[in-house]
Amino acid sequence: GDSVTQTEGLVTLTEGLPVMLNCTYQSTYSPFLFWYVQHLNEAPKLLLKSFTDNKRPEHQGFHATLHKSSSSFHLQKSSAQLSDSALYYCALSDPGNNRIFFGDGTQLVVKP
Amino acid sequence: GPKVLQIPSHQIIDMGQMVTLNCDPVSNHLYFYWYKQILGQQMEFLVNFYNGKVMEKSKLFKDQFSVERPDGSYFTLKIQPTALEDSAVYFCASSWGRITGQLYFGEGSKLTVL
Repeated sequence: GDSVTQTEGLVTLTEGLPVMLNCTYQSTYSPFLFWYVQHLNEAPKLLLKSFTDNKRPEHQGFHATLHKSSSSFHLQKSSAQLSDSALYYCALSDPGNNRIFFGDGTQLVVKP
Repeated sequence: GPKVLQIPSHQIIDMGQMVTLNCDPVSNHLYFYWYKQILGQQMEFLVNFYNGKVMEKSKLFKDQFSVERPDGSYFTLKIQPTALEDSAVYFCASSWGRITGQLYFGEGSKLTVL
């Protein structure tokens, strides 16, 4: 079955340092991968989505590369900002069904 | 951008009562979803809905839960009767098509069952 694994529950780092949030997945088909971000008391919002043509999606300084060989879609940013503090969900959609599978989420805390 | 509206934002009820959570999805969207998030935990899929029917539901979608969208009005989640473990934030989401695009989420309805 489909599943998404985010190994880190909490990532704490200092402003200006690089960010990398891990995401690996299992899927029967060739899925689409997403990163959603949820700021405190707000709705989850789409941050990035994988492309079918293997382009690297980028938004707000974040990027992620879909590696089918390792079934990964790690989220990266070169320099963390205080405003990046939020809950980040990696998610997967499978063309074989109509459900998005969310990982457990990674809480990112950026400190001054 | 497109917005999903949820009413109410907060609701406090006694265990055993009925509650209806309302969702006004993005106007041209065809697929609708409910997710449940207990404080401090992950967001979990409850149900998706298309063309007037439940397409898929998870184990969390108990017999006490029901969804409908009569005549293109609100997409509703009804819980009858409620239980203490139903306390959570319920997120509604919608999408235009099958899941190759993004979900648009509402800001959630916080339900507290006493």
